[in-house]
Amino acid sequence: EPEVTQTPSHQVTQMGQEVILRCVPISNHLYFYWYRQILGQKVEFLVSFYNNEISEKSEIFDDQFSVERPDGSNFTLKIRSTKLEDSAMYFCASGGPAGTPRDIQYFGAGTRLSVL
Amino acid sequence: QKEVEQNSGPLSVPEGAIASLNCTYSDRGSQSFFWYRQYSGKSPELIMFIYSNGDKEDGRFTAQLNKASQYVSLLIRDSQPSDSATYLCAVRAGGSQGNLIFGKGTKLSVKP
Repeated sequence: EPEVTQTPSHQVTQMGQEVILRCVPISNHLYFYWYRQILGQKVEFLVSFYNNEISEKSEIFDDQFSVERPDGSNFTLKIRSTKLEDSAMYFCASGGPAGTPRDIQYFGAGTRLSVL
Repeated sequence: QKEVEQNSGPLSVPEGAIASLNCTYSDRGSQSFFWYRQYSGKSPELIMFIYSNGDKEDGRFTAQLNKASQYVSLLIRDSQPSDSATYLCAVRAGGSQGNLIFGKGTKLSVKP
């Protein structure tokens, strides 16, 4: 069964450092998403990406964040200068358009980001 | 601000009983509704999705949708200890690229 793959599973970084979280979406999906979940809190939307550009972004997704699809398979989230409050589980998801049989978002296993 | 509300629980039921999980949402224009299961430290796993008013059944799971009341529920029949997890209600925001808006989740504990 196809799945969304995320690497690394755990990333530890120092405050102020740049991190790149990587995702390989399901191959025939066209819509890609990043969400985050701070420990004990709800899953929050960060950004959606379609046709090689950002479709929507939340208030959380400020200038410190960027996304890229550098090739036909990878989808990355970059945080330029990490803060303590960026510590969270980051989930990549992929899916099809709303209102279609592919209107499902499938989640990767996540990357736990720990900022020290 | 579009919101999804769930009772955080914990909801405790004995093995074999029916677990009933509820969710309300604020955006009357929402069209797609999802239930995800999340084990501690793991990612959300899709359990059910529903688009139309009424009931949708899949094995031991039944999703119920009432758009007039802006209410979604999930029933788990013959609950098993392995069903113990946090259940996340999610509503898809408008537009074809609509992101999911999640509730905080209801923690379910099934006692043997």
